[in-house]
Amino acid sequence: AQSVTQLDSQVPVFEEAPVELRCNYSSSVSVYLFWYVQYPNQGLQLLLKYLSGSTLVKGINGFEAEFNKSQTSFHLRKPSVHISDTAEYFCAVSPVSGNTPLVFGKGTRLSVIA
Amino acid sequence: GAGVSQSPSNKVTEKGKDVELRCDPISGHTALYWYRQSLGQGLEFLIYFQGNSAPDKSGLPSDRFSAERTGGSVSTLTIQRTQQEDSAVYLCASSRDRNYGYTFGSGTRLTVV
Repeated sequence: AQSVTQLDSQVPVFEEAPVELRCNYSSSVSVYLFWYVQYPNQGLQLLLKYLSGSTLVKGINGFEAEFNKSQTSFHLRKPSVHISDTAEYFCAVSPVSGNTPLVFGKGTRLSVIA
Repeated sequence: GAGVSQSPSNKVTEKGKDVELRCDPISGHTALYWYRQSLGQGLEFLIYFQGNSAPDKSGLPSDRFSAERTGGSVSTLTIQRTQQEDSAVYLCASSRDRNYGYTFGSGTRLTVV
């Protein structure tokens, strides 16, 4: 079985500062990794995904994430945040083989301060 | 449709009543997923459909919960004899292929009073 740990439940950051949201996963098999964002009163929207290939993945809204297999991490980064980035961010994992549904972390609430 | 549609968006029900939550996935998406989101708990997997069959019902929290999908399209999640602990946001997602990730609906916020 897979599991995801998002190390920070809340991250406050000033506007235009860089941010990193941490995600670690546990799995005995190869995995796909995803980051989703949830704005208030909305569903989840896919930010980016790692399936294979380059370990640095670029997504929408200027976000990127790096897959580190040895550290079983998939941290999300943005060099300069905006007020509009205030939202809940979820890391998710699924095994490469089979049809196991995505397993999500508990989320990190990013609050961007003006 | 253009996105995953869920109805109702909000539902307040009395304890003990039955409720039905509807999900209309993106046309052509063969996989459909139900998750429950409680405050501070992240997303809890409930059930997954591939076509009309449900190969994974492992997440349904009790036998009061059931779901069906007809015509490979619309799905209904039914909660019988609702309890206060059922209060949550119920999210539906559909997928054409796991590699593309899921497309989520906006959810149904269920409040049991």
